[in-house]
Amino acid sequence: GAVVSQHPSRVICKSGTSVKIECRSLDFQATTMFWYRQFPKQSLMLMATSNEGSKATYEQGVEKDKFLINHASLTLSTLTVTSAHPEDSSFYICSASDLDPPAKNIQYFGAGTRLSVL
Amino acid sequence: AQTVTQSQPEMSVQEAETVTLSCTYDTSENNYYLFWYKQPPSRQMILVIRQEAYKQQNATENRFSVNFQKAAKSFSLKISDSQLGDTAMYFCAFMKWPYGGATNKLIFGTGTLLAVQP
Repeated sequence: GAVVSQHPSRVICKSGTSVKIECRSLDFQATTMFWYRQFPKQSLMLMATSNEGSKATYEQGVEKDKFLINHASLTLSTLTVTSAHPEDSSFYICSASDLDPPAKNIQYFGAGTRLSVL
Repeated sequence: AQTVTQSQPEMSVQEAETVTLSCTYDTSENNYYLFWYKQPPSRQMILVIRQEAYKQQNATENRFSVNFQKAAKSFSLKISDSQLGDTAMYFCAFMKWPYGGATNKLIFGTGTLLAVQP
C-alpha cells in the first residue's frame, strides 16, 4: 500500500517550453501533496504545499508563476514548469500524505522526475 | 523556526556491523513527529521509521531503531546487522504536529551518506 506514482521519470526539453509533471496516489486519498526540488548531493527543498481544491502554498523564493501547481482531485497533483530554462534543470519529487490513520501524517514519495532543459 | 542538523556528512560501516547516525533538531513545539527517510541510489525516498514526540518509548522497525532524547532534542538512528542494501543517503526530518488536521511539511536535515562495505 501507500504507493505514489510520479510521471515522467525523466524529461528533456528545449528552453522556453513548458513541462508538466504528474503525481498520483495510487491506493489512497491525499488531501495534501508536496513538491520538492533536489540538487545533486543535497537535501530536499520544499517548493510548495498542494491542497485539493484550493490554491497551493508556495515557499519563500519560489516563483508561483513559473511553477504552476494544480491539485484537482484527491489522487492527482500536477507541477508545470512554465517557460523552462537551463537553471530549472533539477530533480523534482512529489509526496502525498494519506487521509486515514495510522498512516496519516506520513509522507510517501514518488520516484522523482529528472528535468533537463537544453 | 525549526531546524534539523545532521553533523555526519558521510559514514562507512562493515557489513553485519552496527552503525548510528546522529540528528539534532531545534523547536519550541511540545508535540511533533520525527522521521528517518533513506534515499538509495535510485533516489526513491523511503520511510525508515517514525517517532511521535509524546511517546517515551523509542520506535523500532526490524533492524532499525531510534534513540529519542526529547530534552536534548536528539534523534539518532541505529542500524543493526548492516546490509549492502542499506547503502543510501539518510535524512532526518521534523514535522510539526497537525493541530488543524492537515499534514504539515517536513523539514529535512542535510543528510548522511552511509556506505556499507562488504
